[in-house]
Amino acid sequence: GAVVSQHPSWVICKSGTSVKIECRSLDFQATTMFWYRQFPKQSLMLMATSNEGSKATYEQGVEKDKFLINHASLTLSTLTVTSAHPEDSSFYICSARDLTSQPNTGELFFGEGSRLTVL
Amino acid sequence: AQSVAQPEDQVNVAEGNPLTVKCTYSVSGNPYLFWYVQYPNRGLQFLLKYITGDNLVKGSYGFEAEFNKSQTSFHLKKPSALVSDSALYFCAVRDGAGGFKTIFGAGTRLFVKA
Repeated sequence: GAVVSQHPSWVICKSGTSVKIECRSLDFQATTMFWYRQFPKQSLMLMATSNEGSKATYEQGVEKDKFLINHASLTLSTLTVTSAHPEDSSFYICSARDLTSQPNTGELFFGEGSRLTVL
Repeated sequence: AQSVAQPEDQVNVAEGNPLTVKCTYSVSGNPYLFWYVQYPNRGLQFLLKYITGDNLVKGSYGFEAEFNKSQTSFHLKKPSALVSDSALYFCAVRDGAGGFKTIFGAGTRLFVKA
């Protein structure tokens, strides 16, 4: 199956700083990437959908200025948590698809996740 | 709007016994249904999916799931559980009418005791 790589796996930062998380598709071109947030013992919450070369579509209740998403190339999307606060601590997971060659019947390919801890 | 319900937070089963993890869904169009598994501090791994055709779907690691349209259910099953099956399981649905937005259930934690 397709491989999606996420980096970093773990990150600890001070309150007020910004953190960037990268999501890369290693063996396919990901025209679309999805960013999820997972709280402890809770499901995945879809934060936003990003399409290469265009602005991300954010889900209701997700702050666009807080969670900046950039999908600048067909293999890389980044999520930047700006001015992070302890309540932003969470597990962030990306997934990717190549919608130009894979039908919407296909499964999602997930990265390994990034655990953010804001002190 | 799409939604998925996993009524059990946790399922406990003894090794060697059959297991069932329940899932019901709601979607306006034809449902595309998926099961994923997550191990601690890891991303999600795909297990199986139902798109169309045979209601019984077989997937990875000996898992299977049965699509029941009248009950809007897609329960995950395995005839004989292994300790290594202990993990968090997510049911997910996508509206086949269009789009790629996938909605996940709350997850069910499976504990398999030796």
